[in-house]
Amino acid sequence: KAGVTQTPRYLIKTRGQQVTLSCSPISGHRSVSWYQQTPGQGLQFLFEYFSETQRNKGNFPGRFSGRQFSNSRSEMNVSTLELGDSALYLCASSQDRVNEKLFFGSGTQLSVL
Amino acid sequence: GEDVEQSLFLSVREGDSSVINCTYTDSSSTYLYWYKQEPGAGLQLLTYIFSNMVMKQDQRLTVLLNKKDKHLSLRIADTQTGDSAIYFCAERRSSASKIIFGSGTRLSIRP
Repeated sequence: KAGVTQTPRYLIKTRGQQVTLSCSPISGHRSVSWYQQTPGQGLQFLFEYFSETQRNKGNFPGRFSGRQFSNSRSEMNVSTLELGDSALYLCASSQDRVNEKLFFGSGTQLSVL
Repeated sequence: GEDVEQSLFLSVREGDSSVINCTYTDSSSTYLYWYKQEPGAGLQLLTYIFSNMVMKQDQRLTVLLNKKDKHLSLRIADTQTGDSAIYFCAERRSSASKIIFGSGTRLSIRP
């Protein structure tokens, strides 16, 4: 079974641009969560999607948004990029909202110049 | 991470046991996890323990949970160079589905 796939692996953008990151969960997994990882803040929860609906949201500004498609694939979007948005963005999937196991992708490394 | 605390660094000699400690604050936590992150990679689930358990052993890994003190530890027996990584403690709270992570402990192995 393939793992969680995130694309692209690396991304370089400039301030003010927008970016879309993609995540394909493990086959059969219906819940997708997104995390931002930075050296200073560690792993911060962004949001969780299940059945195409956002179920949980972290403390991030409205510039961060996401969605989930009917095949459980998810995208997250960051608009009006700031230098502080440079981070590793990790996607994780689980079978459902109550399943205890969360499996992570390798992440997308976003650099904002 | 919010309310999950870990020390930042641990250095052990190859072949010795490593013990990584974690404290959390939410008594309603249902599951507690240990994840491993190698350079340039995502997080790999190592093991997890349900909150009504005290100990879980899986090959070289032993997890101990002291629910009264809200303390979780991960012991790695016979530590090898391949164990060099950042280890994250995490909790899932019953009140929300999100998993809260600690800041991670960087484990380095010396010969």
